[in-house]
Amino acid sequence: NAGVTQTPKFQVLKTGQSMTLQCAQDMNHNSMYWYRQDPGMGLRLIYYSASEGTTDKGEVPNGYNVSRLNKREFSLRLESAAPSQTSVYFCASSEEIRGYGYTFGSGTRLTVV
Amino acid sequence: AQSVTQLGSHVSVSEGALVLLRCNYSSSVPPYLFWYVQYPNQGLQLLLKYTSAATLVKGINGFEAEFKKSETSFHLTKPSAHMSDAAEYFCAVGAGSYQLTFGKGTKLSVIP
Repeated sequence: NAGVTQTPKFQVLKTGQSMTLQCAQDMNHNSMYWYRQDPGMGLRLIYYSASEGTTDKGEVPNGYNVSRLNKREFSLRLESAAPSQTSVYFCASSEEIRGYGYTFGSGTRLTVV
Repeated sequence: AQSVTQLGSHVSVSEGALVLLRCNYSSSVPPYLFWYVQYPNQGLQLLLKYTSAATLVKGINGFEAEFKKSETSFHLTKPSAHMSDAAEYFCAVGAGSYQLTFGKGTKLSVIP
């Protein structure tokens, strides 16, 4: 099925370890997003990429980096994981059309111990 | 600038009762409005959206929402709650651009 694919689905890291969360979409969307979801905080935007070759900070970018590898793929990297980064991470994509909406991946549940 | 306020982080209803989840938005231009649903351990799925056509919008699973410009509201309703409706619901607004601003979510519990 067409959509947004995130890997891995679950991950446990030790404090200080690094990892990359992968996201790929097959809908030919221009824009992609990374959110984190924490209880009581809703969705918070970490980084986004309006189009291939561009990335911008969102609301909570500290401790993260991103790469828009090509039009399909947008990865999120934690260079030195901290317990505060324990969260559920969602990738989303959209067209640059008002009213189009977002398509979300199924999420990555990350625990940093 | 755009913003969304969802009133009530938790709502409980009895099975068969009316579901009403409240969403108010702020936008300096005519908005596009969305409701997403998130079932436990899953991603967000589009439930319905308002894009300036009919003010009463019907979505999946019997849900609907009414756009009221005078009240800057886009409340989500369902006449009769089902156990399978238990989930978290997010309202979102897109105003000047295609990018969305999300509310903090309302968790719906359905009591048998």
